[in-house]
Amino acid sequence: GENVEQHPSTLSVQEGDSAVIKCTYSDSASNYFPWYKQELGKGPQLIIDIRSNVGEKKDQRIAVTLNKTAKHFSLHITETQPEDSAVYFCAPRLKYSTLTFGKGTMLLVSP
Amino acid sequence: DGGITQSPKYLFRKEGQNVTLSCEQNLNHDAMYWYRQDPGQGLRLIYYSQIVNDFQKGDIAEGYSVSREKKESFPLTVTSAQKNPTAFYLCASSEGFDTQYFGPGTRLTVL
Repeated sequence: GENVEQHPSTLSVQEGDSAVIKCTYSDSASNYFPWYKQELGKGPQLIIDIRSNVGEKKDQRIAVTLNKTAKHFSLHITETQPEDSAVYFCAPRLKYSTLTFGKGTMLLVSP
Repeated sequence: DGGITQSPKYLFRKEGQNVTLSCEQNLNHDAMYWYRQDPGQGLRLIYYSQIVNDFQKGDIAEGYSVSREKKESFPLTVTSAQKNPTAFYLCASSEGFDTQYFGPGTRLTVL
């Protein structure tokens, strides 16, 4: 969406390295910040989300950090594996009850 | 994919024809959504419905129509007025206004 920017658009890492994807948004009233993973030919799956009352959330190798002052949140994947290769989308809730998706980051993890 | 089914997986349409995409969910979710995804792009919202017999236009509703006669079902009709209908269509549902769960998608090709 035009009010959501995601960087980088592509990211190549070696297996075992860390990967970080950043999402910036424009609406200071946003209060829900999810990350989705989409494998080729499939629907997106929620992998982690955070709400505005916390700054960081971790689930095994995946973490999300939120900076509401700067209006951005990031996805962190540690110890990357080839099966992490996919397209990742941020989708902050900017207005009403809908999510606004970024244009996606293609992550390629090489063995 | 959870409890959301979309059919068919692949759909071919001749120019000038209307076509209806099916979306069914057994998650007892109140809200349902339709998105369009083009190659290398994020998801764009077509229509959404927060309750039976009510729905709202999303960002790209022109050339599409929906109905919500049952809680479980939210079919999308791609009309002949949609000038560039070839795309991957995704249906989602949510219990509240945050986490959305996606179906496997329908790939529509206009011949």
